[in-house]
Amino acid sequence: GENVGLHLPTLSVQEGDNSIINCAYSNSASDYFIWYKQESGKGPQFIIDIRSNMDKRQGQRVTVLLNKTVKHLSLQIAATQPGDSAVYFCAENLQNAGNMLTFGGGTRLMVKP
Amino acid sequence: EADIYQTPRYLVIGTGKKITLECSQTMGHDKMYWYQQDPGMELHLIHYSYGVNSTEKGDLSSESTVSRIRTEHFPLTLESARPSHTSQYLCASSEYNEQFFGPGTRLTVL
Repeated sequence: GENVGLHLPTLSVQEGDNSIINCAYSNSASDYFIWYKQESGKGPQFIIDIRSNMDKRQGQRVTVLLNKTVKHLSLQIAATQPGDSAVYFCAENLQNAGNMLTFGGGTRLMVKP
Repeated sequence: EADIYQTPRYLVIGTGKKITLECSQTMGHDKMYWYQQDPGMELHLIHYSYGVNSTEKGDLSSESTVSRIRTEHFPLTLESARPSHTSQYLCASSEYNEQFFGPGTRLTVL
């Protein structure tokens, strides 16, 4: 979903189910992407990254998929746990902007026990 | 766990006060950043530094200033705080692409 005003897109899943969080990025020249997890009252934490020469990268329980054709990034979390409840942000690295990261709007993941 | 620290974690002050938010990192990173973030919303870059004596303004206009006299230290100062400055301020550092974030300072200006 899109971030509209003060309303943060929210994904609610049952514990144990898989979660998919989506992100549309803006710059076709971006060559590096990161997913961050931000728990309440904390700073963002790195989850997984992917370079533009790849279309899939797997970590522990997480997978990032990159579709450069439609400028779309997704984060898949397997067997979602209550500790996964947080706001998730994608960020793109703009090479022509001195390797700065541009963050998208977040998605709140709520895991129901 | 990233070795980047911010103090204070929470601050409530009155309008017109001068404040400095501290940020320190022990990773020896050259690049450091300040972001402003309303709860759960996207991060907006307000200042960054590529190294000692280097500071630049970010995308979001801010009335704050920064300094970078030492590699490990990147303080942010508001000369005269206003209620519109109420927000969360996040500091980050990086060596390459990945940015490591501090826990943030939650600022409330009354």
